[in-house]
Amino acid sequence: DAKTTQPNSMESNEEEPVHLPCNHSTISGTDYIHWYRQLPSQGPEYVIHGLTSNVNNRMASLAIAEDRKSSTLILHRATLRDAAVYYCILRNNNDMRFGAGTRLTVKP
Amino acid sequence: DSGVTQTPKHLITATGQRVTLRCSPRSGDLSVYWYQQSLDQGLQFLIQYYNGEERAKGNILERFSAQQFPDLHSELNLSSLELGDSALYFCASSVVSTIGETQYFGPGTRLLVL
Repeated sequence: DAKTTQPNSMESNEEEPVHLPCNHSTISGTDYIHWYRQLPSQGPEYVIHGLTSNVNNRMASLAIAEDRKSSTLILHRATLRDAAVYYCILRNNNDMRFGAGTRLTVKP
Repeated sequence: DSGVTQTPKHLITATGQRVTLRCSPRSGDLSVYWYQQSLDQGLQFLIQYYNGEERAKGNILERFSAQQFPDLHSELNLSSLELGDSALYFCASSVVSTIGETQYFGPGTRLLVL
């Protein structure tokens, strides 16, 4: 399975943008790039996903490199509620392999 | 609220015992996934069911089994429990769209084996 690499932790100030990177150099042509997050004491929550083009939704934006070997999840204005572990996952079959993710701390 | 429900929220039991965790998917979702999250192993995929049939298996132990019923709810059975089975167990249901599949997770069942 193609693997993803994310920083263990990141910090951000409230109301500032956050760019969460993910490297996936062994991605295959049919792998979708998914992002989920897990808030404290909750189940994982879908954030966004894409294949080749950049994607936007009400929660975040996903910027995908032209060669697809990396992607960046963008939170445009971080709030305290965005403090969570963010998982970048490649998916082209039935199971999702969660890595350790990036723990995002948001400072007031 | 994801629309996925899990019961019970908490479960305390002893080693050697057997427990059943229950999951009700979102209305209309045919797929149910089970995951285990422990402190040292992170989120591990266990098994997937689609419309009553097993579709994919992950790191599921032989002591664990699951099934999906005609009404699409699913149960995860854990037997001969060991201390190391203490973990959060999540189920998720999924919807497939033109841009791929999205999973919606339940709130989890926290299992403590003493």
